[in-house]
Amino acid sequence: GAGVSQSPRYKVAKRGQDVALRCDPISGHVSLFWYQQALGQGPEFLTYFQNEAQLDKSGLPSDRFFAERPEGSVSTLKIQRTQQEDSAVYLCASSLGRNEGYVYGYTFGSGTRLTVV
Amino acid sequence: TQLLEQSPQFLSIQEGENLTVYCNSSSVFSSLQWYRQEPGEGPVLLVTVVTGGEVKKLKRLTFQFGDARKDSSLHITAAQPGDTGLYLCAGGETGANNLFFGTGTRLTVIP
Repeated sequence: GAGVSQSPRYKVAKRGQDVALRCDPISGHVSLFWYQQALGQGPEFLTYFQNEAQLDKSGLPSDRFFAERPEGSVSTLKIQRTQQEDSAVYLCASSLGRNEGYVYGYTFGSGTRLTVV
Repeated sequence: TQLLEQSPQFLSIQEGENLTVYCNSSSVFSSLQWYRQEPGEGPVLLVTVVTGGEVKKLKRLTFQFGDARKDSSLHITAAQPGDTGLYLCAGGETGANNLFFGTGTRLTVIP
């Protein structure tokens, strides 16, 4: 597609509920990233996919967080048993990856604002 | 843990003024990018710098990468209300595939 699409834009979950956030990246972008952004702060890295392989999940805050990209395109970030501290904007980005020297720029989606009540 | 510190954290100026935003780290980066983010949207890439000492200009915006590739600055000349937003620097470490984002500078340009 023309851009990175995320859904839903807003999600209100009751504490303890499971949620699933979807990201549809730019066609042909091999790299896909999930970031978490608190209000007024910079995004914090959660996880990275190259095609269907999850190469880095060091930023996932707990084992309640799980991400997948089974066919190397659409990705889903799942949060189980949501807690209030999970409230944040979840951003998805895709890129062409990197060359020998540097990382290519990201194209971000508009994000999903998750509020846990 | 944030590796990139930005200053100032907040900046409110009058239209037509000049400003500089700084991005500092103790780490060396193979590349550094600047993004601007508006409320309710994702960050949008402004520029990528890869060589120590490199200077890039984008209309009224001037970006510089430090000689040691640990810091960067963004200078805006004659700021306009449309420049309002959250400015983020992001560094790519050698061999890494993901970017580390800075703490952000929220700029407000008052008409």
